[in-house]
Amino acid sequence: DGGITQSPKYLFRKEGQNVTLSCEQNLNHDAMYWYRQDPGQGLRLIYYSQIVNDFQKGDIAEGYSVSREKKESFPLTVTSAQKNPTAFYLCASSSQLNEKLFFGSGTQLSVL
Amino acid sequence: GENVEQHPSTLSVQEGDSAVIKCTYSDSASNYFPWYKQELGKRPQLIIDIRSNVGEKKDQRIAVTLNKTAKHFSLHITETQPEDSAVYFCAATHFGDSNYQLIWGAGTKLIIKP
Repeated sequence: DGGITQSPKYLFRKEGQNVTLSCEQNLNHDAMYWYRQDPGQGLRLIYYSQIVNDFQKGDIAEGYSVSREKKESFPLTVTSAQKNPTAFYLCASSSQLNEKLFFGSGTQLSVL
Repeated sequence: GENVEQHPSTLSVQEGDSAVIKCTYSDSASNYFPWYKQELGKRPQLIIDIRSNVGEKKDQRIAVTLNKTAKHFSLHITETQPEDSAVYFCAATHFGDSNYQLIWGAGTKLIIKP
């Protein structure tokens, strides 16, 4: 599936619940990213990681958390502090930071 | 904050005609400008990119031009085909206080009329 896999495709969150979105890549890329896509808007960066055990906040990091324990994996947790989590979430990876990003197929998160 | 403005939001052209999408950026230090295509229900894919030391780049029917003085760059698609129908996103790099990221335009929905 293009070397970068996101799961699940659809996810539902209840009030007060934390949920985790999975992102795995087998492209041997150092950099990984999480973006949020809302209708009629461009992609907005939540977090990115250039290397294992290191990550930086993007413009909309509040209410989200990430980890990068392995090069291949960059999971995103949407916490209960994120008050408007309904959106399409895209994970991406690249060899060089911000260049030639490969995207996953996305996860649609909705609130019950 | 820094932003990238993209116009138009929707563009409808006759098959075979050309399409032009324009983006304006605010950070004069931006040095890399990619364009991504997102077909309905699919993931974004890079179609062309340009660096700030180059004024124009072409790849078959698509080209990108960059005007650093005016801080804008444009995507040109010639001889449009039905498979060109998609949403196109531009982006520009930005060095923030504590990060380095791409700032994205809001997207242009390109409709190719048969």
